[in-house]
Amino acid sequence: NAGVTQTPKFQVLKTGQSMTLQCAQDMNHNSMYWYRQDPGMGLRLIYYSASEGTTDKGEVPNGYNVSRLNKREFSLRLESAAPSQTSVYFCASSDRRGWTEAFFGQGTRLTVV
Amino acid sequence: EDQVTQSPEALRLQEGESSSLNCSYTVSGLRGLFWYRQDPGKGPEFLFTLYSAGEEKEKERLKATLTKKESFLHITAPKPEDSATYLCAAPPGGGADGLTFGKGTHLIIQP
Repeated sequence: NAGVTQTPKFQVLKTGQSMTLQCAQDMNHNSMYWYRQDPGMGLRLIYYSASEGTTDKGEVPNGYNVSRLNKREFSLRLESAAPSQTSVYFCASSDRRGWTEAFFGQGTRLTVV
Repeated sequence: EDQVTQSPEALRLQEGESSSLNCSYTVSGLRGLFWYRQDPGKGPEFLFTLYSAGEEKEKERLKATLTKKESFLHITAPKPEDSATYLCAAPPGGGADGLTFGKGTHLIIQP
């Protein structure tokens, strides 16, 4: 069982470059999420998608865009990376919105230099 | 403002030494209190959900409890493999989606 798969696992970008983080889940979940985790800050919600075709902003959406490509896949795009976006990014999915347990991927460690 | 606060930030115990981790929350209309475990370099792994005051759940050496203002994760006779960061989270008030996380408690169990 793969669960939630994120690619890539590690990435180094130069300031101003763009990239897309990919996430796919095989649990037939409706809801998908992108979080970032920074030392001393905990996990913070960037964007979420309650169902295919819908996306909404979370706590820290600035500088990011998302696409819910289909029920399985939810991507996060950085259009012009900044050093402040250096972080570990986690994708998660859950069966029914936020009040059921979420399953997390292994994370993408992104460094912007 | 919705807040989830965990204490202590870090805890070092000897193997077999029981203790408790605290999670206090200020979320209107609580729709669940979640506990996760996170190992270094990994994503959070779900442990428990508690929905109402007085509820308790157990898994091996872990027991989670919930009151109207806080939750406790009790660790009984811990082993070195229980070393991890334990995260507490709750859905934000107002019906918004996702989880509001605490900053976690970094637990080290020494043999």
